[in-house]
Amino acid sequence: NAGVTQTPKFQVLKTGQSMTLQCAQDMNHNSMYWYRQDPGMGLRLIYYSASEGTTDKGEVPNGYNVSRLNKREFSLRLESAAPSQTSVYFCASSALAGLYNEQFFGPGTRLTVL
Amino acid sequence: QKEVEQDPGPLSVPEGAIVSLNCTYSNSAFQYFMWYRQYSRKGPELLMYTYSSGNKEDGRFTAQVDKSSKYISLFIRDSQPSDSATYLCAMIAGADGLTFGKGTHLIIQP
Repeated sequence: NAGVTQTPKFQVLKTGQSMTLQCAQDMNHNSMYWYRQDPGMGLRLIYYSASEGTTDKGEVPNGYNVSRLNKREFSLRLESAAPSQTSVYFCASSALAGLYNEQFFGPGTRLTVL
Repeated sequence: QKEVEQDPGPLSVPEGAIVSLNCTYSNSAFQYFMWYRQYSRKGPELLMYTYSSGNKEDGRFTAQVDKSSKYISLFIRDSQPSDSATYLCAMIAGADGLTFGKGTHLIIQP
């Protein structure tokens, strides 16, 4: 039981390049989330998917797109990377969205945009 | 004003001490409270959660919620060097997602 897995672990991009961060969970969870974590800013929600087939914006969605490929997988795409998107990105999942929302996190992707 | 306030630290204490970590919040709609532990270069891991005011104990860890004061605490007894990490509080109101504090960096000195 791997929990939440993310690929890649590290990535360096040049400004304007695009890339997709992959996330998968094997806990049969309905809801999945993408966060970014920056020094002094804490964890901020980018996008989430309450259930398969739905996605919604979080606190900081600009510059990102997401795809809920199936129940297991939720990807985050940067179409034209900017230095401001240098961050650590975490994917999380939970059985349900809403009140009883115990989220389980992946190991993170460290992204640097030059 | 941020909805959840948490002192970033660092908080440095000697091994064996009792550690108190705290968060305050402004949104009285928060109903469900959690503590996550995050080791350096790792993802956050859920440590404890509670639905209501009062105390919840799990081994050396006790989570305390005081809704009237909008204040939550995590106590660690007999602290160990392996407890050195960043501790994040998180809370939920209704159908909204988690709101996190910025985390407190804890250092347990051997």
